[in-house]
Amino acid sequence: DVKVTQSSRYLVKRTGEKVFLECVQDMDHENMFWYRQDPGLGLRLIYFSYDVKMKEKGDIPEGYSVSREKKERFSLILESASTNQTSMYLCASITSGAYTDTQYFGPGTRLTVL
Amino acid sequence: RKEVEQDPGPFNVPEGATVAFNCTYSNSASQSFFWYRQDCRKEPKLLMSVYSSGNEDGRFTAQLNRASQYISLLIRDSKLSDSATYLCVVRSGGFKTIFGAGTRLFVKA
Repeated sequence: DVKVTQSSRYLVKRTGEKVFLECVQDMDHENMFWYRQDPGLGLRLIYFSYDVKMKEKGDIPEGYSVSREKKERFSLILESASTNQTSMYLCASITSGAYTDTQYFGPGTRLTVL
Repeated sequence: RKEVEQDPGPFNVPEGATVAFNCTYSNSASQSFFWYRQDCRKEPKLLMSVYSSGNEDGRFTAQLNRASQYISLLIRDSKLSDSATYLCVVRSGGFKTIFGAGTRLFVKA
């Protein structure tokens, strides 16, 4: 079974803090994603990575950056957390990206910024 | 207009009922379609892919109508454990995957 893990289930930070969210997958998937999920809006793509050190902006990259130094690990960084970044953050991975492939999600990190 | 639209519900149905959800998508070039299930405060998990010819998995049936650009999910003989949010997912080119906001289902005893 594919396993995607995230460093924290719940996180509380203060405005202006730098926040690191980590994601690790154990299935040697090339492609990894960071989404945020908010009520009524569905999942929105922040960034994705198709290879080590490669990244692409998603639909809502502002205020975020990412790092992929190793194939299995994809980190999301909030440079200066703000209250509007309070959300559920979900990491996902997928193998080749063929149309029929499905994404596997981590358990999510519920971040609250005070 | 959202690229993928779902009725947010909630749908409240008794055990044993049949319930159907629809999802419409705007990009006619969309290539693949999925239904995911998400339990409260958990991550989305794949329920089933949706094929052009329609497909069935036990009590669940998924249909695709390309002409009208919608997909559907039918759940027969609802169980309490079917209570969840059902996400419609549409993929077009490459990694562009659009998630619907989800339809909430409550199955009551």
